[in-house]
Amino acid sequence: DAGVTQSPTHLIKTRGQQVTLRCSPKSGHDTVSWYQQALGQGPQFIFQYYEEEERQRGNFPDRFSGHQFPNYSSELNVNALLLGDSALYLCASSLGRIFYGYTFGSGTRLTVV
Amino acid sequence: TQLLEQSPQFLSIQEGENLTVYCNSSSVFSSLQWYRQEPGEGPVLLVTVVTGGEVKKLKRLTFQFGDARKDSSLHITAAQPGDTGLYLCAGDYNQGGKLIFGQGTELSVKP
Repeated sequence: DAGVTQSPTHLIKTRGQQVTLRCSPKSGHDTVSWYQQALGQGPQFIFQYYEEEERQRGNFPDRFSGHQFPNYSSELNVNALLLGDSALYLCASSLGRIFYGYTFGSGTRLTVV
Repeated sequence: TQLLEQSPQFLSIQEGENLTVYCNSSSVFSSLQWYRQEPGEGPVLLVTVVTGGEVKKLKRLTFQFGDARKDSSLHITAAQPGDTGLYLCAGDYNQGGKLIFGQGTELSVKP
């Protein structure tokens, strides 16, 4: 039973560029959430997708956007990259509208130079 | 701003010792979770506590949710080197999965 799969694992981008990160949820899960984890910090909630719509959003600017596809996979897009966007981006999946816990992927390490 | 304060931030102990990690907030949670994260990996869910005063045990790990559902603790008995990692508490306010994470406790257990 495959867990949460994220790609790519590592990425280096230049300031001002745009990036797309991808996530396939755990088999059977229908909800995908994205978190940003800076070095030495706990993850911060970016947004959550359910039934192909953004259901909840954290305190992140509009440069952060996402999408969920009919097969429940998801993308995170970040425009106009800043140095401060360098972090580990974690995708987490869960099942249903009532939350009991996440299965996290191993993350994408984004470095902005 | 909703905050979850976790302490201590760093803990270095010898194998066989006991330890407790604390997680505190001024806000009430609908549930609270504990995760463990190893370098280069995503967090792995250890437990979810929902009811005030609830105590859950997972082998040598004991998790407690405060009566008022504002705080939680993780106690490890007879720590082993395999327990080394980053322990994260995370609170959920609306049962929707918009988790607020503490900054984590970096645990190192030396043989």
